[in-house]
Amino acid sequence: DGGITQSPKYLFRKEGQNVTLSCEQNLNHDAMYWYRQDPGQGLRLIYYSQIVNDFQKGDIAEGYSVSREKKESFPLTVTSAQKNPTAFYLCASSSDRGRTNYGYTFGSGTRLTVV
Amino acid sequence: AQSVTQPDIHITVSEGASLELRCNYSYGATPYLFWYVQSPGQGLQLLLKYFSGDTLVQGIKGFEAEFKRSQSSFNLRKPSVHWSDAAEYFCAALKGTIKAAGNKLTFGGGTRVLVKP
Repeated sequence: DGGITQSPKYLFRKEGQNVTLSCEQNLNHDAMYWYRQDPGQGLRLIYYSQIVNDFQKGDIAEGYSVSREKKESFPLTVTSAQKNPTAFYLCASSSDRGRTNYGYTFGSGTRLTVV
Repeated sequence: AQSVTQPDIHITVSEGASLELRCNYSYGATPYLFWYVQSPGQGLQLLLKYFSGDTLVQGIKGFEAEFKRSQSSFNLRKPSVHWSDAAEYFCAALKGTIKAAGNKLTFGGGTRVLVKP
């Protein structure tokens, strides 16, 4: 079955370290997204990409970086510049092939904790 | 600014009772509207979506939502709640056409539903 796979499910980071969260999809979706979720704050968009080799900053991009070298993959790096990285991170993808099929498919998330 | 508001942060409902979750949007034109559900520690699952036409939309798990243009609302309902409906629910909106909007959804802050036995 098609879907989105995020790994790892839990990740621990030491202060000053960069960590990379993986997101892979086999839905043949063009667009992919990274969201950060904190208790009581809903979902906030970090970065998104509509096509390979192109991506845009979302609302809270500072301290994060992404790449989109393949259609299937959209990894997120949480850098040491991100002052408060402890959160639940969600990856999503979407198809723009007509509104009937439009919608986000989400991965199951990665919980990042700074130790 | 374009936004989606869910006025209720928490709702507690007894099992078997009806449930209604509120969602309001602030856009000049009617956006595409969505409801998602999230179980603890999981991703979001699409319950239903509205693009145009019939203002009462049926979704999965027995949920429905009604679009009311005059109230800029898209409230989610379920006639009889099951314990498995305890989760967080998110309303989301996409303004205009999918390509023009850059495919970006705007999410509300979520409503956490607790179900009492």
